[in-house]
Parts: sequence; C-alpha cells; structure tokens
Amino acid sequence: AQTVTQSQPEMSVQEAETVTLSCTYDTSESDYYLFWYKQPPSRQMILVIRQEAYKQQNATENRFSVNFQKAAKSFSLKISDSQLGDAAMYFCACMEYGNKLVFGAGTILRVKS
Amino acid sequence: DTAVSQTPKYLVTQMGNDKSIKCEQNLGHDTMYWYKQDSKKFLKIMFSYNNKELIINETVPNRFSPKSPDKAHLNLHINSLELGDSAVYFCASSLQLAGGRDTQYFGPGTRLTVL
Repeated sequence: AQTVTQSQPEMSVQEAETVTLSCTYDTSESDYYLFWYKQPPSRQMILVIRQEAYKQQNATENRFSVNFQKAAKSFSLKISDSQLGDAAMYFCACMEYGNKLVFGAGTILRVKS
Repeated sequence: DTAVSQTPKYLVTQMGNDKSIKCEQNLGHDTMYWYKQDSKKFLKIMFSYNNKELIINETVPNRFSPKSPDKAHLNLHINSLELGDSAVYFCASSLQLAGGRDTQYFGPGTRLTVL
C-alpha cells in the first residue's frame, strides 16, 4: 500500500523569502502521479502542482516548483517570493492506477510580514 | 460557474439521525469521490464512482451509503449518525483517462457536527 509522509508539521517563512516543504512517499508502482494541494482557512482544497512520475523534468507553476527525486521517493515543494496568501496547510499526495489519492498528514505554512 | 459544489456547507445534527450531503460537478468528469477529513486534518478516501458505478469502497461503516443518480452527482447518505462521524466531508471529481489517473478537483467541503 502506498504511504505519504510529511515530516514537517509546521513551517514559517518571511514574506518574499523562499521555503521548501518536504514529502516522501512509498509506492510499489512505477507509474504514478504526485500532487501538492493547498488548504487555506476557507478549507477549500486547491491544486498547487502535479508531477507525473514518468517525467524527469520537475514541474513548475509560477512561484511554485517541485524537486522530484524518483529514486529517493522524494517530492518537495518550493515556494518562491512567499506571499501572505500562501499561508495555508499544504498536503502532498500520491496517486496510483485507479485514481486512489493518498494524502500525507499536511504541513502548516505560516507567512510572516 | 462553480466546478464542484456541495450542499450543505455546514450540518449540525443529533446522534442517531440520518442525513445526506449532496455533490454536483459541472466539469463533465466521469469519476466522483468522497473523502473524510478528521479533526487532525487527515484526509482519507471513502468512495469513488465512475459513470454511476462504485469503483473504490474503503473500509467505511455500512451506515455510509453513496448514491450516484447520474455521473454529475454523487450524494452521501449517513444513517444513525455517531459522534465519531463529525468531520469535514469533501466531494471531488476527475476525468477517467485511459491511464487510470487524473487530477482531482475538490468541492468546498461540508462540515458535519454530531452532537
């Protein structure tokens, strides 16, 4: 069974600085997808970024980028130029065949002005 | 304009009651899901339906019964509510691609409180 581990319960970053959120996963499949979702206080789950395991290039979406290390089963999220609106809980998730999405425990990100 | 919608957003009820949460998506997706987020914010899949057919059924008590009248709707009915059912319930949807994976888009969640 797949598992997703987020070892940082909470992180802080100064506005305009860069922060990296860690995620490791375990899966027996060779083809899978990885996601980062953001959950602000409004509780809406918002897709931040997606990475297909077969792609070697790291995904980027504006200020958000990932460092995907397939051999190490690591999938970290880098947020550049942090903004107050980035404050939220961030969930790492892994999807195998069949669309079953397994989430990590989440990391609370606080942004200081 | 809303992609995945849920009603109600908040639900407060007494133990032993039966309640339903409705979900609708206007994205044209084939697959819909229910997730439960507990008090520690842990998210876990409960069910998924593809074109009205049950695909994923995690170890969820029989008191929970999903119903899909058509592929745009997936409702969650809960019988004999218990204190431990208090949580946020999220509906989600995705395309069913040949590769068996696609991004899931979530509704706003329904906060269920059982007193």
